[in-house]
Amino acid sequence: EAGVAQSPRYKIIEKRQSVAFWCNPISGHATLYWYQQILGQGPKLLIQFQNNGVVDDSQLPKDRFSAERLKGVDSTLKIQPAKLEDSAVYLCASSLASGGSDTQYFGPGTRLTVL
Amino acid sequence: AQSVTQPDIHITVSEGASLELRCNYSYGATPYLFWYVQSPGQGLQLLLKYFSGDTLVQGIKGFEAEFKRSQSSFNLRKPSVHWSDAAEYFCAVGGGGTYKYIFGTGTRLKVLA
Repeated sequence: EAGVAQSPRYKIIEKRQSVAFWCNPISGHATLYWYQQILGQGPKLLIQFQNNGVVDDSQLPKDRFSAERLKGVDSTLKIQPAKLEDSAVYLCASSLASGGSDTQYFGPGTRLTVL
Repeated sequence: AQSVTQPDIHITVSEGASLELRCNYSYGATPYLFWYVQSPGQGLQLLLKYFSGDTLVQGIKGFEAEFKRSQSSFNLRKPSVHWSDAAEYFCAVGGGGTYKYIFGTGTRLKVLA
C-alpha cells in the first residue's frame, strides 16, 4: 500500500514570495490533515478536510494561508506572502475517517525555509 | 483546554538500557492517546494507541505504554533500547468532539553505543 506522498521535499524562498505544497493521501482515506511543525515543537494542525469539505481550519492563518482538496483526493497548501516565521516542516496526513480515534498516516513532509 | 506535556526535551540512554518517556495530558473527557516516532527527515510513525480497555498497550518495535487515569499520564517504555531507536518521540491526545490531535513538544532520544 502506498503511503502519503508529498512534494516538494524541500523549498527555499524569500520572504513575501508565494509557495505551494502538494499532498496525495492514501487511497480511500476520507480525511486529510495539514500540520505545521516548527523546529523544536510538535506538529500543529492547520486544517482538516473530510472528503473535500473543511472540518477544522481554526488554526490556519487565513490572511496568508489557503488550502484546497480537489475532488476529495489530492490537496494543495499555499502560503502567500511568506514570512520568516513560516519556516517549518509542513506535514500532510490522512486517515480513513475523521474520528479522534482514527490512526493518522503521515507523509515525509516538506521543509520550508524562508529567507 | 486540551494539552499534552512531555517534560523531557532530551534523553540519553545506553544501548541495552531500559527507557521510559513521560507524557502527561489535560483533557475534559476520556482521551484517545497516541505515541508517534519521527526519525530524521521522516514523517511520524504510529507506535501505539490507547482508546479503552487494558491500560497496558503493546506497540510496534517492542514499545509499550501504560495509561494511568489518576495521574493523567501515558508513559512510553521499552525494556532494552537499540541504537536504531534514536529518534524524536511525540505523545498526542485526541478524541471527543474536537476530532483533532494535540501533540506534545517531543522528546529527543539519543542512544549511546
